[in-house]
Amino acid sequence: SYELTQPPSVSVSPGQTARITCSGDALPNQYAYWYHQKPGQAPVLAIYKDTERPSGIPERFSGSTSGTTATLTISGVQAEDESDYYCQSADSSGTKVFGGGTKLTVL
Amino acid sequence: QVQLQESGPGLVKPSETLSLTCTVSGGSVNRGSYYWTWIRQPPGKGLEWIGNIYYSGSTKYNPALKSRLTISVDKSKSQFSLQLTSVTAADTAVYYCAREVRLLNYIDSWGQGALVTVSA
Repeated sequence: SYELTQPPSVSVSPGQTARITCSGDALPNQYAYWYHQKPGQAPVLAIYKDTERPSGIPERFSGSTSGTTATLTISGVQAEDESDYYCQSADSSGTKVFGGGTKLTVL
Repeated sequence: QVQLQESGPGLVKPSETLSLTCTVSGGSVNRGSYYWTWIRQPPGKGLEWIGNIYYSGSTKYNPALKSRLTISVDKSKSQFSLQLTSVTAADTAVYYCAREVRLLNYIDSWGQGALVTVSA
């Protein structure tokens, strides 16, 4: 089955830039989506269609792709950005899949 | 504003069938703009996409669960449902129902989640 691979954890200091990667063979042909999730809460969409930011998501959040890797970048990380981040995409049949998740720690 | 609410037993015995219903309020499942989706999250672990259903009844399932899974929709009650047969402890999770925007392919609304524990 199709898999998306994320690093289990990323740590940054406040004000620095955090980059969370997501690797998958189908990403050159399928969009990547990013969600963040705080403990005990449902996920929230952060980026859609590789680079688009929904209303209400701060401008410091951005998305990019290169080949088989999608990247979520958070510029000027704030303490409130500490969260779990999940990438999501689809295979060629439209079956959806989530990455394993990355815990972002703000030091 | 649409709201989704999961309901169903919080405890299921091994080998039995897990059944959950999602009630949609403030919107209708009888609209072509959305897929109605189930996602689960085992305690302390990541998200797993279970499957979705279109208002027409067309479904897509996670291949790993397909042999045990049925997702259905009841337009008259504005509900959609999940049935997972032959459950084991590995099916213990928080189950979320959600609404996926069809043309943009992202989830814009989630239920609060329902913990289902599989245990004798």
